[in-house]
Parts: sequence; structure tokens; C-alpha cells
Amino acid sequence: KAGVTQTPRYLIKTRGQQVTLSCSPISGHRSVSWYQQTPGQGLQFLFEYFSETQRNKGNFPGRFSGRQFSNSRSEMNVSTLELGDSALYLCASSLDRGGSGNTIYFGEGSWLTVV
Amino acid sequence: SQQGEEDPQALSIQEGENATMNCSYKTSINNLQWYRQNSGRGLVHLILIRSNEREKHSGRLRVTLDTSKKSSSLLITASRAADTASYFCATPAGGSARQLTFGSGTQLTVLP
Repeated sequence: KAGVTQTPRYLIKTRGQQVTLSCSPISGHRSVSWYQQTPGQGLQFLFEYFSETQRNKGNFPGRFSGRQFSNSRSEMNVSTLELGDSALYLCASSLDRGGSGNTIYFGEGSWLTVV
Repeated sequence: SQQGEEDPQALSIQEGENATMNCSYKTSINNLQWYRQNSGRGLVHLILIRSNEREKHSGRLRVTLDTSKKSSSLLITASRAADTASYFCATPAGGSARQLTFGSGTQLTVLP
């Protein structure tokens, strides 16, 4: 069973540009979430999608957005890139069965460098 | 804000020794997850422990959870050089099981 797949793995963008990152969850998983990891702020939650609807959103500016498609694949977009957006962006998926917890699986991440 | 905090921040041991990492959190939880991250890579899920469980094992890993103290520990027995990585605990944020908050992690170095 394939894990969470993220593309691209590495990319370099210029300030002011925009970027789109893609995530394919584990087959059968309908909940997809995104995290940003930086040396200074650590791992921070961006947003979570389920059945094409955003259910939770972290404390990030509106330049960060996402969406989920009917096949559960998700994309996140960052517009007007700033140097501080340089980070590892991690996608995660889970079955979301409810109850006392679902294992949340992460992908390898997309390394974004803004120059 | 960070819910979980790992202790120590860094740990260096010899191969074959045991490594213990601790995690403290602030609010009531219904589960806690531990992850490993090798340098520059994604997070690998290690163990999920529910609030009604006190201890859980997986291979060389042992996780304990003390909800009265709001703390958890991860024990890696007979460490190997390949265990060198950062280890994070993660807890549900604000009652949402689908949103995790992470501590700053413990950087474990296992010397051959």
C-alpha cells in the first residue's frame, strides 16, 4: 500500500511568486492535512480537509490556501512568496474513523526555498 | 502554541544503550502519537497510545502515558546508529483529533 505521496520534493521560487504543492493520501484516507516545518517555529498546522471541505485552519495568513479534490488528493498554494515561507511542507492523511484517535501518516514533504 | 514539549532537547548515547525521551502536554487528550524524523525527511509514525492505555510496545519501542501527570515517555531499547533522528510527540489540538500540535522534539544521536 503506497504511503502519502508529495510532489515536488524540492523547489526554489523567487519572492513574490506563487507555488502549488500536491499531495496524494494513502488509499482510502479522506482526511488530508498540511503542516509547515521551520527551524524557528517547528511543526505548525496549516489546514485540514475532509470530503473536499476545509474543516480546520491554523494561524497562517490568507496567502496560504488549499483544496481537496473528489479523489481526496489535495493541493496547497502559497501566493506572493516571502523569504520566511522557506520551509518543509508536510502533508498527512488519516482514515478519520472517529473514536479515540486515528493514526496520522505523513509524507516525505516538499522542500520550498524562497530566494 | 505548542502543546507537547519533549525532554531532553538532545540526547547522545552509544550503540546498544537505551534511550528515553519524555513529553509533557498541557490539556486533556484522548491520544498521543510519537513520530521519528530523519534529517531532511518526513515524519514516520511510531506509536499511537490512547488515553485509556498506560503502556504500549512495538518492537524495541516502549511508550508510556500518564494522563494524571500529562506526560508520556518513549523508550528505545538496544539503540542502533540507524535510530539517530529527531523524535516528536504529537497531541490533538483544541479537541480536534485531526489537528496535531507538536513539541520541539528530541534530537537523538546514537554513536557507533
